[in-house]
Amino acid sequence: GAGVSQTPSNKVTEKGKYVELRCDPISGHTALYWYRQSLGQGPEFLIYFQGTGAADDSGLPNDRFFAVRPEGSVSTLKIQRTERGDSAVYLCASSSSVRGGELFFGEGSRLTVL
Amino acid sequence: GQQLNQSPQSMFIQEGEDVSMNCTSSSIFNTWLWYKQDPGEGPVLLIALYKAGELTSNGRLTAQFGITRKDSFLNISASIPSDVGIYFCAGQRIETSGSRLTFGEGTQLTVNP
Repeated sequence: GAGVSQTPSNKVTEKGKYVELRCDPISGHTALYWYRQSLGQGPEFLIYFQGTGAADDSGLPNDRFFAVRPEGSVSTLKIQRTERGDSAVYLCASSSSVRGGELFFGEGSRLTVL
Repeated sequence: GQQLNQSPQSMFIQEGEDVSMNCTSSSIFNTWLWYKQDPGEGPVLLIALYKAGELTSNGRLTAQFGITRKDSFLNISASIPSDVGIYFCAGQRIETSGSRLTFGEGTQLTVNP
């Protein structure tokens, strides 16, 4: 499709398990972002990629969170040893480098940790 | 944590009424944006503002970038039922990398037909 695609749309897991969330950005967009949105809150920045490299990962809450974008397109957000507090909607967005701030978001992956 | 104060938190209006919401910050932003989010969807960009004092319209929506660079407002005229949703302001600071955005907590808009 033409938009940002995220899978899975819903993920239920048990505390302590490992989770991977995938993002397929808009073709040609060099910048890719991960945000986390808790219920009733605005999205909170996690990490930003320009091409293959993580240009800013200062929003990752701790070392259980890691993200990669090996070929400069698809990205995977990885969460180790999940905790109940990790439950949230994880949003991916992409943008062309020309218009900073004009992000195109996917529908999100809702993670529930039991 | 959040650095943008968005108000009001929620609004209940009648169809046809005008709506105004705003966002303030203690920090200076060089870009202000307004997004709308429907249930189960990601935020969708409505308006982007790049210059202090800039006033920009998109159909029934009008937004302004405050002169101090610390605030922005969004107006919706002649509201219709499909305007229902959560509206987020977002700002980009000069000193942060790339297009990292800080979001407000949102304004939940309900339009009664």
